Amino acid sequence: SQELEQSPQSLIVQEGKNLTINCTSSKTLYGLYWYKQKYGEGLIFLMMLQKGGEEKSHEKITAKLDEKKQQSSLHITASQPSHAGIYLCGADVNAGGTSYGKLTFGQGTILTVHP
Amino acid sequence: DGGITQSPKYLFRKEGQNVTLSCEQNLNHDAMYWYRQDPGQGLRLIYYSQIVNDFQKGDIAEGYSVSREKKESFPLTVTSAQKNPTAFYLCASSISGDTANYGYTFGSGTRLTVV
Repeated sequence: SQELEQSPQSLIVQEGKNLTINCTSSKTLYGLYWYKQKYGEGLIFLMMLQKGGEEKSHEKITAKLDEKKQQSSLHITASQPSHAGIYLCGADVNAGGTSYGKLTFGQGTILTVHP
Repeated sequence: DGGITQSPKYLFRKEGQNVTLSCEQNLNHDAMYWYRQDPGQGLRLIYYSQIVNDFQKGDIAEGYSVSREKKESFPLTVTSAQKNPTAFYLCASSISGDTANYGYTFGSGTRLTVV
């Protein structure tokens, strides 16, 4: 089983709709990262969350980390075709953040936005 | 501009051949990583290196080898022992092994296909 579970695996929305992607772990997350990937390309950094209850926003994308630091959500408001791609969460899932640089990733969420 | 460069973008391998994927960074990052991406499985760690002349196996190291002779370079060799090498390979680097505070910068990836 995955140490980081993302849901949904895929999402199709109409332009202008809001959407949420979730990233869940049974372990405490140390340094939770959200990345976006266009098919066949590298990952682009979106946001990083560290503290329980933390929330960050950039343009129309908001990411939150719950108080227990075991779940994060990525929310897109008024989606646009430019938001389409694969969204991945990554985190250090070892106790005390002792993975020595190794990030574990979720399986990704494929987002399609229809104009 | 600083960045991380992977080459080639597309690579074709015949059965029984070894192939080497290049990864170069000019970000002065200490740590470098190789991940493999397959549809629906997210990113899986192959090898990582936190310092020159030192590297460790990740979760799926069998059939792969690496070297870290220079800080800037972390080439990955896919050997004939890797039974299912067709995948998208991503190289990443980070300032240090402290991913609780620093994330990864990713290259644009190499798509390897066995023919």
